[in-house]
Amino acid sequence: AQSVTQLDSHVSVSEGTPVLLRCNYSSSYSPSLFWYVQHPNKGLQLLLKYTSAATLVKGINGFEAEFKKSETSFHLTKPSAHMSDAAEYFCVVTTNTGFQKLVFGTGTRLLVSP
Amino acid sequence: DAGVIQSPRHEVTEMGQEVTLRCKPISGHNSLFWYRQTMMRGLELLIYFNNNVPIDDSGMPEDRFSAKMPNASFSTLKIQPSEPRDSAVYFCASSLGLAATYEQYFGPGTRLTVT
Repeated sequence: AQSVTQLDSHVSVSEGTPVLLRCNYSSSYSPSLFWYVQHPNKGLQLLLKYTSAATLVKGINGFEAEFKKSETSFHLTKPSAHMSDAAEYFCVVTTNTGFQKLVFGTGTRLLVSP
Repeated sequence: DAGVIQSPRHEVTEMGQEVTLRCKPISGHNSLFWYRQTMMRGLELLIYFNNNVPIDDSGMPEDRFSAKMPNASFSTLKIQPSEPRDSAVYFCASSLGLAATYEQYFGPGTRLTVT
């Protein structure tokens, strides 16, 4: 079985400072990992994904994440926050085999202050 | 491409009424997923289809929920009868296939309120 734990329900940063959203995963098989973003009253948009290739994954809008098997982590980072980054972020896991059944974390709400 | 289209965007209904949510996937996508998002339970996969065939409906909460995909460009999620605890945002997503390498594209969601 797969699961993800998002360690923070809320993260507050100032515009221009780094962003770190933490995610730990559990998977019986080789996992695929994703980060999705949801802006208020909008659907979910894929930020980036890891599917057993390079462990450092670059996504849209300057975000990146590093897959660390030894730590079972897949933290999302961005060097400099922008006001438009304020949203809910979901860490997601699935397996590399069989059907793609996404398992979502509980979400982290990112607040960006001027 | 217009993306995944869902209708209606908002639905308010009374307990006991039938509710039908609609989804048009991205053209050419073979897989379609229905999710429900609530504050209490987060995002849950309800059911998914591949080539119009339901593959796994183990996430459907009760027999009051049913989903169909009569063709590659249309799917419905029906709740009959509806109950207040069904109030949630329902998302439809589609992808080129079921492998993890394929991105799921989400629609804007339907916000359902059952009074």
